[in-house]
Amino acid sequence: EAGVTQSPTHLIKTRGQQATLRCSPISGHTSVYWYQQALGLGLQFLLWYDEGEERNRGNFPPRFSGRQFPNYSSELNVNALELEDSALYLCASRDPRSTDTQYFGPGTRLTVL
Amino acid sequence: QKEVEQNSGPLSVPEGAIASLNCTYSDRGSQSFFWYRQYSGKSPELIMFIYSNGDKEDGRFTAQLNKASQYVSLLIRDSQPSDSATYLCAVGFGNEKLTFGTGTRLTIIP
Repeated sequence: EAGVTQSPTHLIKTRGQQATLRCSPISGHTSVYWYQQALGLGLQFLLWYDEGEERNRGNFPPRFSGRQFPNYSSELNVNALELEDSALYLCASRDPRSTDTQYFGPGTRLTVL
Repeated sequence: QKEVEQNSGPLSVPEGAIASLNCTYSDRGSQSFFWYRQYSGKSPELIMFIYSNGDKEDGRFTAQLNKASQYVSLLIRDSQPSDSATYLCAVGFGNEKLTFGTGTRLTIIP
């Protein structure tokens, strides 16, 4: 069974640009979560999508947004990039048979110059 | 404020010994508890999850949960150099999200 996949692996942008990150969940998983892991910090919850709807978002500004597609894949958009947005962005999908259990993809390393 | 706290380490353990990792959480409504392992530059990998008070064993790993004390731990028996990583404690609140601690860096000394 294929795991969670993310693309691109690395992304380099300049301040003020927009970044788009993509995630495909494990087959059969309908929930997708996005987390930010800045250097030296813990994972911070960004967004949760389930059945195409945004269900919850963390304490991040509105320039962090996303969507979930009918095939349950998801996209995270970060507008007006700032230097402090440089981080590892992790996508996780949740097994619908098991409350809360999330499996992570390999992540996208975003660098803002 | 829902918080999860871990000792950041580093924790150094001789090869073959037992490594003990601890985590406390603030919200008594927490429902599920997870341990993830994260190698440098990689994404977190699920090691164990536990929902009920007591111990849960899986191979060399044992998770322990004490809801009254709001405490969860991970024991790694017969520690191997490949166990050297950062271990993340995470707490769930019913599908919404996981709240993570900042992780404990574990080093197994050959």
